[in-house]
Amino acid sequence: EPEVTQTPSHQVTQMGQEVILRCVPISNHLYFYWYRQILGQKVEFLVSFYNNEISEKSEIFDDQFSVERPDGSNFTLKIRSTKLEDSAMYFCASKSFPFGQGSWGEQFFGPGTRLTVL
Amino acid sequence: QQQVKQSPQSLIVQKGGISIINCAYENTAFDYFPWYQQFPGKGPALLIAIRPDVSEKKEGRFTISFNKSAKQFSLHIMDSQPGDSATYFCAASPSNTGNQFYFGTGTSLTVIP
Repeated sequence: EPEVTQTPSHQVTQMGQEVILRCVPISNHLYFYWYRQILGQKVEFLVSFYNNEISEKSEIFDDQFSVERPDGSNFTLKIRSTKLEDSAMYFCASKSFPFGQGSWGEQFFGPGTRLTVL
Repeated sequence: QQQVKQSPQSLIVQKGGISIINCAYENTAFDYFPWYQQFPGKGPALLIAIRPDVSEKKEGRFTISFNKSAKQFSLHIMDSQPGDSATYFCAASPSNTGNQFYFGTGTSLTVIP
């Protein structure tokens, strides 16, 4: 069964450093998302990406964040200068074109990358 | 602004009992309502979802009840099992775009053997 994969599973970094979180969405999916979940809290939307551009972003997704789809398979989230409050689990998700076969709009989530900022 | 409100925050149920988790939303543009199940250290996984053209959807032991006029929906887990112990998130989204999911705050379910 196809699945979303994420690397690394755990990233530890010093405050102020840049990190890149990587995701490989399901191959025929066209919508891509990043969410974050601070420990014990709800899942929060960061950004959605479609047709090689950001389609929507939340207020959390400030100038320190960027996303990129550098090739046909990877989808990355970059945090330029990490802060302590960026420590969270980051989930990538993908979705097929909404009027495609099967799902109404299911987003498939990856296992997450735990980011720890020291 | 909390787009989706979820309750209770935690729930303890005896094995074989019924678990009920409730959600409410405000945005009438929402037309896709999934429930996600999350085990510790794992990503959320779709459990069951509903569109507002039906009032109920059942898949095995899991049922979503949907009340469009009240803008409420709930998850019922029948014959709850210890393996159901997880965190459950309701979510809402307008499904005709690539828009984000708005998640509820989550319910931690513990099923006691």
